[in-house]
Amino acid sequence: GQQVMQIPQYQHVQEGEDFTTYCNSSTTLSNIQWYKQRPGGHPVFLIQLVKSGEVKKQKRLTFQFGEAKKNSSLHITATQTTDVGTYFCAGAIQGAQKLVFGQGTRLTINP
Amino acid sequence: DAGITQSPRHKVTETGTPVTLRCHQTENHRYMYWYRQDPGHGLRLIHYSYGVKDTDKGEVSDGYSVSRSKTEDFLLTLESATSSQTSVYFCAIRGQGADTIYFGEGSWLTVV
Repeated sequence: GQQVMQIPQYQHVQEGEDFTTYCNSSTTLSNIQWYKQRPGGHPVFLIQLVKSGEVKKQKRLTFQFGEAKKNSSLHITATQTTDVGTYFCAGAIQGAQKLVFGQGTRLTINP
Repeated sequence: DAGITQSPRHKVTETGTPVTLRCHQTENHRYMYWYRQDPGHGLRLIHYSYGVKDTDKGEVSDGYSVSRSKTEDFLLTLESATSSQTSVYFCAIRGQGADTIYFGEGSWLTVV
Protein backbone atom coordinates (compact mmCIF):
# COMPACT_ATOMS: atom_id res chain seq x y z
CA GLY A 1 0.00 0.00 0.00
CA GLN A 2 0.91 3.63 -0.20
CA GLN A 3 3.47 4.81 2.32
CA VAL A 4 4.55 8.23 3.37
CA MET A 5 7.85 8.37 5.19
CA GLN A 6 8.77 11.39 7.25
CA ILE A 7 12.15 12.26 8.73
CA PRO A 8 13.53 12.99 11.19
CA GLN A 9 11.30 11.50 13.88
CA TYR A 10 12.64 13.94 16.49
CA GLN A 11 14.48 17.24 16.29
CA HIS A 12 15.75 19.37 19.13
CA VAL A 13 17.03 22.86 18.36
CA GLN A 14 18.08 25.99 20.14
CA GLU A 15 15.64 28.84 19.84
CA GLY A 16 16.55 30.87 16.78
CA GLU A 17 17.93 27.93 14.81
CA ASP A 18 16.26 26.67 11.66
CA PHE A 19 14.32 23.42 11.37
CA THR A 20 13.39 21.21 8.42
CA THR A 21 11.28 18.07 8.13
CA TYR A 22 11.01 15.95 5.00
CA CYS A 23 8.34 13.69 3.54
CA ASN A 24 8.68 11.06 0.84
CA SER A 25 5.91 9.09 -0.78
CA SER A 26 6.16 5.77 -2.56
CA THR A 27 3.58 6.95 -5.09
CA THR A 28 2.73 10.17 -6.89
CA LEU A 29 0.43 12.38 -4.89
CA SER A 30 -2.38 14.61 -6.06
CA ASN A 31 -1.59 16.93 -3.18
CA ILE A 32 0.21 17.01 0.12
CA GLN A 33 -0.92 18.62 3.31
CA TRP A 34 0.84 19.66 6.49
CA TYR A 35 -0.56 19.58 9.99
CA LYS A 36 0.75 20.75 13.35
CA GLN A 37 -0.08 19.17 16.68
CA ARG A 38 0.78 20.99 19.87
CA PRO A 39 1.60 18.83 22.92
CA GLY A 40 -1.65 17.43 24.32
CA GLY A 41 -3.64 18.81 21.41
CA HIS A 42 -5.06 17.62 18.13
CA PRO A 43 -3.58 17.97 14.63
CA VAL A 44 -4.44 21.27 12.98
CA PHE A 45 -4.31 21.89 9.24
CA LEU A 46 -1.54 24.25 8.13
CA ILE A 47 -1.41 24.19 4.35
CA GLN A 48 -2.05 22.22 1.18
CA LEU A 49 0.28 22.00 -1.83
CA VAL A 50 -1.11 20.86 -5.15
CA LYS A 51 1.16 21.83 -8.02
CA SER A 52 4.45 20.26 -8.99
CA GLY A 53 7.33 22.36 -7.64
CA GLU A 54 4.99 24.56 -5.60
CA VAL A 55 6.42 26.69 -2.82
CA LYS A 56 4.26 28.41 -0.23
CA LYS A 57 5.19 30.58 2.72
CA GLN A 58 3.45 31.34 5.98
CA LYS A 59 5.54 33.88 7.88
CA ARG A 60 8.64 31.89 8.97
CA LEU A 61 7.35 28.59 7.51
CA THR A 62 8.23 27.55 3.95
CA PHE A 63 6.56 24.54 2.34
CA GLN A 64 7.75 22.87 -0.85
CA PHE A 65 6.26 20.19 -3.08
CA GLY A 66 8.69 18.27 -5.27
CA GLU A 67 8.70 18.31 -9.05
CA ALA A 68 7.65 14.65 -9.18
CA LYS A 69 4.95 15.23 -6.55
CA LYS A 70 6.43 12.50 -4.38
CA ASN A 71 8.24 14.54 -1.76
CA SER A 72 7.75 17.64 0.31
CA SER A 73 9.47 19.65 2.98
CA LEU A 74 8.62 22.10 5.71
CA HIS A 75 11.28 24.60 6.76
CA ILE A 76 10.98 26.90 9.75
CA THR A 77 13.36 29.85 9.91
CA ALA A 78 14.53 31.14 13.27
CA THR A 79 12.43 28.87 15.47
CA GLN A 80 10.48 30.26 18.39
CA THR A 81 9.12 28.42 21.43
CA THR A 82 5.65 28.64 19.91
CA ASP A 83 6.82 26.32 17.13
CA VAL A 84 7.06 23.39 19.55
CA GLY A 85 4.94 20.43 18.51
CA THR A 86 4.72 17.56 16.08
CA TYR A 87 4.51 18.28 12.37
CA PHE A 88 2.78 15.78 10.10
CA CYS A 89 2.66 15.56 6.35
CA ALA A 90 -0.28 13.78 4.73
CA GLY A 91 -0.49 12.62 1.14
CA ALA A 92 -3.58 12.38 -0.99
CA ILE A 93 -3.91 10.13 -4.03
CA GLN A 94 -6.18 11.11 -6.91
CA GLY A 95 -9.61 9.62 -6.36
CA ALA A 96 -8.78 8.23 -2.94
CA GLN A 97 -11.06 8.90 -0.03
CA LYS A 98 -8.38 9.00 2.61
CA LEU A 99 -5.08 10.64 3.44
CA VAL A 100 -1.94 8.77 4.38
CA PHE A 101 -0.01 10.43 7.17
CA GLY A 102 3.70 10.41 7.75
CA GLN A 103 4.93 9.39 11.18
CA GLY A 104 5.48 13.00 12.20
CA THR A 105 8.49 15.01 13.36
CA ARG A 106 8.45 16.09 16.95
CA LEU A 107 10.15 19.46 17.40
CA THR A 108 11.41 20.57 20.79
CA ILE A 109 13.13 23.89 21.39
CA ASN A 110 15.63 24.99 24.00
CA PRO A 111 14.86 28.62 24.90
CA ASP B 1 -13.23 24.60 15.11
CA ALA B 2 -15.00 22.33 12.66
CA GLY B 3 -17.92 21.43 14.93
CA ILE B 4 -16.59 18.03 15.97
CA THR B 5 -17.27 16.61 19.41
CA GLN B 6 -15.75 13.40 20.70
CA SER B 7 -17.01 11.50 23.72
CA PRO B 8 -15.85 10.37 26.12
CA ARG B 9 -12.68 12.45 26.20
CA HIS B 10 -11.03 10.16 28.73
CA LYS B 11 -11.82 6.57 29.66
CA VAL B 12 -10.19 3.78 31.62
CA THR B 13 -11.58 0.34 31.02
CA GLU B 14 -10.71 -3.25 31.79
CA THR B 15 -9.42 -5.81 29.34
CA GLY B 16 -12.24 -7.72 27.68
CA THR B 17 -14.91 -5.08 28.10
CA PRO B 18 -16.66 -3.41 25.16
CA VAL B 19 -16.02 0.28 24.56
CA THR B 20 -17.75 2.71 22.23
CA LEU B 21 -16.35 6.09 21.26
CA ARG B 22 -18.64 8.64 19.68
CA CYS B 23 -17.87 11.32 17.14
CA HIS B 24 -20.52 13.95 16.52
CA GLN B 25 -20.34 16.64 13.85
CA THR B 26 -22.64 19.57 13.29
CA GLU B 27 -21.74 20.57 9.72
CA ASN B 28 -23.19 17.75 7.62
CA HIS B 29 -19.84 16.58 6.25
CA ARG B 30 -19.91 13.42 4.18
CA TYR B 31 -16.60 11.88 5.17
CA MET B 32 -15.70 10.87 8.70
CA TYR B 33 -12.60 9.07 9.94
CA TRP B 34 -11.27 7.37 13.02
CA TYR B 35 -7.50 7.47 13.64
CA ARG B 36 -5.40 6.22 16.48
CA GLN B 37 -2.16 7.89 17.51
CA ASP B 38 0.69 6.05 19.20
CA PRO B 39 4.31 7.08 19.80
CA GLY B 40 6.47 6.20 16.82
CA HIS B 41 3.51 5.40 14.60
CA GLY B 42 1.97 8.77 13.94
CA LEU B 43 -1.67 8.77 12.89
CA ARG B 44 -3.06 5.48 11.62
CA LEU B 45 -6.45 5.14 10.01
CA ILE B 46 -8.78 2.62 11.66
CA HIS B 47 -12.02 2.99 9.69
CA TYR B 48 -13.70 5.67 7.67
CA SER B 49 -17.15 6.48 6.36
CA TYR B 50 -18.19 8.11 3.10
CA GLY B 51 -21.88 8.31 3.89
CA VAL B 52 -24.65 6.95 6.06
CA LYS B 53 -24.19 3.20 6.39
CA ASP B 54 -21.16 3.38 4.06
CA THR B 55 -17.93 2.47 5.80
CA ASP B 56 -14.58 0.94 4.92
CA LYS B 57 -11.51 -0.35 6.67
CA GLY B 58 -8.30 1.53 7.20
CA GLU B 59 -4.83 0.17 7.86
CA VAL B 60 -5.38 -0.95 11.48
CA SER B 61 -9.01 -2.09 11.56
CA ASP B 62 -8.60 -5.44 13.38
CA GLY B 63 -10.44 -5.42 16.70
CA TYR B 64 -12.56 -2.40 15.77
CA SER B 65 -15.97 -1.93 14.23
CA VAL B 66 -17.81 1.23 13.23
CA SER B 67 -21.32 2.37 12.53
CA ARG B 68 -22.85 5.42 10.95
CA SER B 69 -26.64 5.40 11.14
CA LYS B 70 -26.95 9.15 10.59
CA THR B 71 -24.76 11.80 9.02
CA GLU B 72 -23.76 13.49 12.22
CA ASP B 73 -22.60 10.48 14.24
CA PHE B 74 -19.75 8.02 13.65
CA LEU B 75 -19.26 5.39 16.34
CA LEU B 76 -16.11 3.36 16.96
CA THR B 77 -16.53 0.16 18.96
CA LEU B 78 -13.91 -2.03 20.55
CA GLU B 79 -15.83 -5.29 21.02
CA SER B 80 -13.40 -6.66 23.59
CA ALA B 81 -10.76 -4.15 24.59
CA THR B 82 -7.13 -5.22 24.82
CA SER B 83 -4.12 -3.43 26.30
CA SER B 84 -2.74 -2.89 22.78
CA GLN B 85 -5.72 -0.65 22.13
CA THR B 86 -4.60 1.82 24.75
CA SER B 87 -4.18 4.91 22.61
CA VAL B 88 -5.42 8.35 21.71
CA TYR B 89 -8.28 8.19 19.25
CA PHE B 90 -9.03 11.06 16.91
CA CYS B 91 -12.13 11.54 14.86
CA ALA B 92 -11.85 13.65 11.72
CA ILE B 93 -14.17 15.01 9.08
CA ARG B 94 -13.81 16.09 5.46
CA GLY B 95 -16.22 17.90 3.26
CA GLN B 96 -17.08 16.66 -0.22
CA GLY B 97 -14.89 18.23 -2.86
CA ALA B 98 -12.21 19.12 -0.33
CA ASP B 99 -9.09 17.21 0.64
CA THR B 100 -8.23 18.76 3.96
CA ILE B 101 -9.50 17.13 7.10
CA TYR B 102 -10.31 18.55 10.51
CA PHE B 103 -9.73 16.67 13.71
CA GLY B 104 -11.68 16.43 16.92
CA GLU B 105 -9.94 16.96 20.22
CA GLY B 106 -9.25 13.29 20.83
CA SER B 107 -10.33 10.53 23.19
CA TRP B 108 -7.73 9.12 25.57
CA LEU B 109 -8.43 5.41 26.17
CA THR B 110 -6.55 3.29 28.68
CA VAL B 111 -7.17 -0.46 28.82
CA VAL B 112 -5.93 -2.05 32.05
